[in-house]
Amino acid sequence: AQSVAQPEDQVNVAEGNPLTVKCTYSVSGNPYLFWYVQYPNRGLQFLLKYITGDNLVKGSYGFEAEFNKSQTSFHLKKPSALVSDSALYFCAVRDSGYSTLTFGKGTMLLVSP
Amino acid sequence: DADVTQTPRNRITKTGKRIMLECSQTKGHDRMYWYRQDPGLGLRLIYYSFDVKDINKGEISDGYSVSRQAQAKFSLSLESAIPNQTALYFCATSAATTGSYNEQFFGPGTRLTVL
Repeated sequence: AQSVAQPEDQVNVAEGNPLTVKCTYSVSGNPYLFWYVQYPNRGLQFLLKYITGDNLVKGSYGFEAEFNKSQTSFHLKKPSALVSDSALYFCAVRDSGYSTLTFGKGTMLLVSP
Repeated sequence: DADVTQTPRNRITKTGKRIMLECSQTKGHDRMYWYRQDPGLGLRLIYYSFDVKDINKGEISDGYSVSRQAQAKFSLSLESAIPNQTALYFCATSAATTGSYNEQFFGPGTRLTVL
């Protein structure tokens, strides 16, 4: 089975501060990991993915994520948050033995001015 | 993403009615998916199709059916709508690459309310 957990329903951060949105996963094979962002009244947009290789993945809008196999985590990070980063963020995982993604429940990121 | 379109964008219907949600894509992708989003539950997969002749049930297929009319079109039907099918529905597409897994591209969503 494959599963993903986003332990925080909401993350609050001040503009200019670093942000982290947490994600942990469970798979029996090798994980393929993704982050998506959803702005109000919009569909999900792809941010970045980890398939193999370098544990630090860089994506759109200055976001990056670090794959940590020993901690089964794939946290999303950004060095300096913007108010416009406020949105709902989803982590997703696919076990190498599966054919579809499993999404987390989402974390609302609120960046205050 | 304008490359994946969904119609209608909003729909209010009554319990017991049949309703169809449509998805079209111009990305040339073989793989298409239907998800529903509920607050606090994230996205859950309803059905998916890896080509025109391939249809597969997802996590929550009961009460739903699908039709893949062409590579570019994938429709979701609720044969007899019930209130707990009130949700935001998303269509998504992805390319197929051997040995890897490509990101999915999502439509803008259909907000369905069943009274």
